[in-house]
Amino acid sequence: SQTIHQWPATLVQPVGSPLSLECTVEGTSNPNLYWYRQAAGRGLQLLFYSVGIGQISSEVPQNLSASRPQDRQFILSSKKLLLSDSGFYLCAWSIRSGYGYTFGSGTRLTVV
Amino acid sequence: GQQLNQSPQSMFIQEGEDVSMNCTSSSIFNTWLWYKQEPGEGPVLLIALYKAGELTSNGRLTAQFGITRKDSFLNISASIPSDVGIYFCAGQLSNNDMRFGAGTRLTVKP
Repeated sequence: SQTIHQWPATLVQPVGSPLSLECTVEGTSNPNLYWYRQAAGRGLQLLFYSVGIGQISSEVPQNLSASRPQDRQFILSSKKLLLSDSGFYLCAWSIRSGYGYTFGSGTRLTVV
Repeated sequence: GQQLNQSPQSMFIQEGEDVSMNCTSSSIFNTWLWYKQEPGEGPVLLIALYKAGELTSNGRLTAQFGITRKDSFLNISASIPSDVGIYFCAGQLSNNDMRFGAGTRLTVKP
């Protein structure tokens, strides 16, 4: 069966520090991968998606970047965090477009 | 135009009551999905709908893909305390274009 792992679960980082969040999927090949951000009490905002290794699409201009160095690995990064980067970050995968997404358990990022 | 309008924003109900929530849009969607999110966790898929008019159940949950493809509803029958959470609708417009509603926060009083 397929599983998705996301870590760390919580993170407190100072403004200006770098960020690296990792997401891996097991039990499938060539998944579509997604990074979402959820502000407190709000809906989900798509940040990046990837349909293959090295293929990254960005949905909104921001202080973040994403990379997919391996088929089932998706990384969310920042060189210098801003206070506004705080939020709940969710990784998700789908077998292909048009099918339901499976979400990871999320990372709660607090920038102080 | 491509936003999903999800309502109600929140609901406070008594255990045993039925619940109904819906999502509407001015755009046509190819797929409708309903998710539930519990505090500190990622959303979990409850029901997926792939055809206009489709009515699908998952235990006490029932969801329908509107015939116009612009709306969907989710019903929960005989609510129980563990139904508490935030319910999100999601609609797929095209490849990799999945839109999420703002969520319905459900509170169930025992």
